[in-house]
This record gives sequence, C-alpha cells and structure tokens, in this order.
Amino acid sequence: AQTVTQSQPEMSVQEAETVTLSCTYDTSESNYYLFWYKQPPSRQMILVIRQEAYKQQNATENRFSVNFQKAAKSFSLKISDSQLGDTAMYFCAFSLTSGSRLTFGEGTQLTVNP
Amino acid sequence: NAGVMQNPRHLVRRRGQEARLRCSPMKGHSHVYWYRQLPEEGLKFMVYLQKENIIDESGMPKERFSAEFPKEGPSILRIQQVVRGDSAAYFCASSLPGLAQTGELFFGEGSRLTVL
Repeated sequence: AQTVTQSQPEMSVQEAETVTLSCTYDTSESNYYLFWYKQPPSRQMILVIRQEAYKQQNATENRFSVNFQKAAKSFSLKISDSQLGDTAMYFCAFSLTSGSRLTFGEGTQLTVNP
Repeated sequence: NAGVMQNPRHLVRRRGQEARLRCSPMKGHSHVYWYRQLPEEGLKFMVYLQKENIIDESGMPKERFSAEFPKEGPSILRIQQVVRGDSAAYFCASSLPGLAQTGELFFGEGSRLTVL
C-alpha cells in the first residue's frame, strides 16, 4: 500500500517571502503521479501542481515549484513571493498510473502573514 | 459551470436518519470518486465508480454506507442510520476514463454533513 506523509502540520511565512512544504511517500512502484492540492477556507480542493514520476525535470507553475527526489521518495513544494491568498491547507497526494485512487497526506496548514 | 457539482452543500441529520449526497461529474467524465474528510484530517478514499459499476469500494465502511452511479443521473452516496461520527465533509471528484491518463481528479466543493 502507498502512504503519504506530511510532517509539518502548520507553517507560516511573511508575505513576499519563500516557503517550502515537505512531503514524503512510500511505494514499491516505479510509475506514479504526485500532486499538491490546495484547500482554502472555502474548502474547495484546487490542484496546484502535478509531477509524473518518469520525468526528471521538476514541475513548475508560476510561483509554485517542486523538488522531486525519486530515490529519496521526497516531493516538496516551494512557494515563491508568497501572497495572502496562498493561505490554505496544502495536501500532498499520490496515485499510481495504473491505479484507481489518490492517496492524500494529512495536510499542512500554511498561513501567509502581512 | 461545467465543474463537478455536489448537493446539498450542507446537510443536517439527527442520529438514525438517512443522508443522501449527490454528485454530478464534469461533462465528459464517466468516473466518480468519493472521499471523506473528518475535521482536521486529510481526505480518505471511500469508493470509485463508473456508470452502473463499482470499481473499488475498499474504503467504504462495511455497514450503513452505499454508493451508486446510475446510467442516468448523478452519483449518490447514501448513509443509513447516521451516527455522530459520520459528521464530515464528503467530497466527490471525477476524472476522464482511466485515472492513468493524467492522474488528475477534479473535485466538487464538498457536502458537509452534520449529525446532531
């Protein structure tokens, strides 16, 4: 079975600064996807960024980028130039390319302070 | 709005009553997933359905919970004889046929069930 671990229940950052959220996962498979989802106070789940395990290049989406370390089974999210609207719960998630579900971590509550 | 639609957004039930949550997937999506989020926790997989077929229900409690996705109409998550521990946010998500294509799920806004 696959597991996803987020070891930081809460983090805070000052507006305009950079923050990194950590995620580790465990799997014996080699083909999979990794995701970061954002859940703001509205509770809507919003996809932030996606990484295919077969790609060595780290995914980037504007101010969001990942550091994907396949051998270490690590998938951290870096948010640059943090904005107040980035305040949310962030979930790391995993799915097999042959699978039928996403497995989520427990989440990291990020607060961006003015 | 062609997104995943869930209703009701909020549902209050007394212990012992039944709760029915509905989900209409995104246009063109024929696969539906239900997740439960307990307070202060992450999302836990419950069930994965195609139209008229349950693909994976390994996350569903063995009793009182059932799900369906009929040929016509929305997917329904049904909870019979609700208890206080069922209070949670229930999220529906949909995908293109075969999660393997992109791995991405598109989520609805969730249905928040409160059991008194």
